[in-house]
Amino acid sequence: SQKIEQNSEALNIQEGKTATLTCNYTNYSPAYLQWYRQDPGRGPVFLLLIRENEKEKRKERLKVTFDTTLKQSLFHITASQPADSATYLCAPRPSGTYKYIFGTGTRLKVLA
Amino acid sequence: DTGVSQNPRHKITKRGQNVTFRCDPISEHNRLYWYRQTLGQGPEFLTYFQNEAQLEKSRLLSDRFSAERPKGSFSTLEIQRTEQGDSAMYLCASSSMDGSEDYGYTFGSGTRLTVV
Repeated sequence: SQKIEQNSEALNIQEGKTATLTCNYTNYSPAYLQWYRQDPGRGPVFLLLIRENEKEKRKERLKVTFDTTLKQSLFHITASQPADSATYLCAPRPSGTYKYIFGTGTRLKVLA
Repeated sequence: DTGVSQNPRHKITKRGQNVTFRCDPISEHNRLYWYRQTLGQGPEFLTYFQNEAQLEKSRLLSDRFSAERPKGSFSTLEIQRTEQGDSAMYLCASSSMDGSEDYGYTFGSGTRLTVV
């Protein structure tokens, strides 16, 4: 069955460092993959979308990579700030469908 | 346009009662999605619409759940004979597609359902 794995344990890093979050998927061939941020009690907020023919996408301090051979996406936040503390969700979109399947998310805490 | 709006924000109901939630998407978005999220989990897909047509429904969704999107604008999600296991955050999202180009979802703030 289709499966998405994100680090279930929280990631704690010091302010100013680069945070790297991992998303691994199996039994998928996603055409698109998205990353979202979610704060407690709120809906997810779209951050970045990367296509299967793109290796890397950047937006300000954010960078996403997409390795279709490894079936993995990495999400990086450079120069992290306490305000970046949140849960980050990975969501691949399987080919042939318009729905995204979400991972369980990784909770990031940036320490001042 | 103020984004995706969901009402109510919170709903407490007794087991066995019916509940209905409403979602108003971004007006120019033609796709609308419903997801359910429980604590510590990612959003779980329920169903989606393109305009007024319901194109896909999760096999996990029992017959007690029904969704509509009349006239391709707002959508409602109804749960009949609620059970305690239905307690969750119900999220609505909308998106647009330009040909094959996908611009991602805009989510609402969700409706938190508590079944007592």
